[in-house]
Amino acid sequence: GQSLEQPSEVTAVEGAIVQINCTYQTSGFYGLSWYQQHDGGAPTFLSYNGLDGLEETGRFSSFLSRSDSYGYLLLQELQMKDSASYFCAVRGPNDYKLSFGAGTTVTVRA
Amino acid sequence: EPEVTQTPSHQVTQMGQEVILRCVPISNHLYFYWYRQILGQKVEFLVSFYNNEISEKSEIFDDQFSVERPDGSNFTLKIRSTKLEDSAMYFCASSPTGNSGNTIYFGEGSWLTVV
Repeated sequence: GQSLEQPSEVTAVEGAIVQINCTYQTSGFYGLSWYQQHDGGAPTFLSYNGLDGLEETGRFSSFLSRSDSYGYLLLQELQMKDSASYFCAVRGPNDYKLSFGAGTTVTVRA
Repeated sequence: EPEVTQTPSHQVTQMGQEVILRCVPISNHLYFYWYRQILGQKVEFLVSFYNNEISEKSEIFDDQFSVERPDGSNFTLKIRSTKLEDSAMYFCASSPTGNSGNTIYFGEGSWLTVV
């Protein structure tokens, strides 16, 4: 099976940088994804790393180290609208399903 | 932009009643999923569906649950006899095949309250 660990919550001020770490243990690995979920809303795709290294998408970047079973999501120039839960997820070994971590609640303060 | 649509957005049902949650996945996607999220908890996988059959299911997806693709567009989740602990947000999702299958697109969810 898959297990993922990420911090439960992070608080930061507008304009700051936040890094959300994710460590995983999987029986098969096909990449690390990140999803954002605002209160009561659908999880929405942010980023995917299939290979080691950094992927940048605007203010958000994601990093993967397969040898360390570790990745992170970097949120830069934080805005109030970035207050949400962020989930790391790994794909199952025999299917395209995703298994999610418990989520990190990011609170952005003025 | 294409999206996954779900109905109803909210349903209240009495314990022991049957519930059907409906979903229309994105039209060119071939993999379909149901996930649930109990309030304040993580998103949990229930079942995946491909080529008109279940491809994988979790331990949550017991005999009380079933899925169906009754026509070319709808994908349904049925809970035969609801329990209080079935109260949760149920998300339908879909993904295309190939490398892009790593991105799963979620609907806005159906909030089920069992009383």
